[in-house]
Parts: sequence; structure tokens; C-alpha cells
Amino acid sequence: EDQVTQSPEALRLQEGESSSLNCSYTVSGLRGLFWYRQDPGKGPEFLFTLYSAGEEKEKERLKATLTKKESFLHITAPKPEDSATYLCAVLRLTGGGNKLTFGTGTQLKVEL
Amino acid sequence: DGGITQSPKYLFRKEGQNVTLSCEQNLNHDAMYWYRQDPGQGLRLIYYSQIVNDFQKGDIAEGYSVSREKKESFPLTVTSAQKNPTAFYLCASRGGTEAFFGQGTRLTVV
Repeated sequence: EDQVTQSPEALRLQEGESSSLNCSYTVSGLRGLFWYRQDPGKGPEFLFTLYSAGEEKEKERLKATLTKKESFLHITAPKPEDSATYLCAVLRLTGGGNKLTFGTGTQLKVEL
Repeated sequence: DGGITQSPKYLFRKEGQNVTLSCEQNLNHDAMYWYRQDPGQGLRLIYYSQIVNDFQKGDIAEGYSVSREKKESFPLTVTSAQKNPTAFYLCASRGGTEAFFGQGTRLTVV
């Protein structure tokens, strides 16, 4: 069974204080790892897809990296508008298609 | 304007009634997904579909049913067999390297 664990569950940062969120996974035959941002009451917003160990992707203050067992979302010099819940998901091929399984998320709060 | 449209945004249902949530996409994606999100929790997979006329149970399929008669549409029916249907329901479609979500339907049983 696919397992996706995100840590920490919640994180409070001061504006400008860089940090990393972790997504560890146990899945056979990973076809991709996805990162999303979700604001309260909204659908998740797509950020990145990573496919192979060693891959990195960047968008503004966010940088995602991938190893064979985990992914990190690095947030550099965060601003209050980066406050949200960050979700990761793993994509795996099954007999009937590609299953996309999510972790429980990290709730990030950035304060002035 | 391309994207995924879920309707309605809010839905109220009486106990014992079935209700159908709509999900339409114009991104020409093959794969579509339905998730349930409870307060303070992550997304749990209900059903997914890779192609028309084929779909698979996810991790919490009991009490739900789906159909995939058209590539663009993947409606979800919450049946009276679902014991705790009050939740936020999210639909997604995936194609190539990206997967996008709709804005969700909040279902409340009254």
C-alpha cells in the first residue's frame, strides 16, 4: 500500500526565515511526485512534478527536490502570503490506471 | 477559459438521499480523480479513471459511485450508504506532467 508522510504537521516561521518541508514516501514504481499549495476552502493549486531522484524544480521562493525515499520543499525568505497548507502526492501505475495518493499536508504560517 | 469546473459549490442533502456532484474538464486530460477532504485532514482518494468507460476504486470507495461516459465528465454520486457524507469533495484531472483541481463542492447532510 502506498504511504505518504509529511512533516512537520504545522510550521510557524517569521518572515524571511527559510525552512524546509518534508514528504517521505513508500511506493513501488513511483511515476511522479507532485507538490500543491492549498488555501482554506479552495482546491489545491499545482506547484511542481518531480520524476527522478536528483531532480530539482524552482518557482519564486519555492524549490522542490527529490530523492529515492523523500522530497523536500524548500522555502527561501518566506512572506506572509506563502501561508497555506502544502500537500505532496505520489503517482503510481496500477492495473487500472495511475493512482495519485496524497499525504496529510504541512500547514505553514508565516508571520511578520 | 480552460480548467476544471465543479458544481455546485455548496450542496445540502437530507439523510437517506442520493446526490450527484458534477466535474467537467476542458483540458483534454485522460485521467480524472475524486477525493474527499475532512477538516484539518489531507485528501483521500474515492475513485479514479484513466479512460472513458473505465474506473477504479480508491481507498474509500464504499458508499460512492461514479461514471465516465465522456472524456470531459466524471460525476460522483454520494449514496445513502455513505455513513458520513458531510465533507469537502475535490475533483482533479491529470495529463502530461501536471494535475489540476477544481474548486470543490462542500456537501452538508442536514
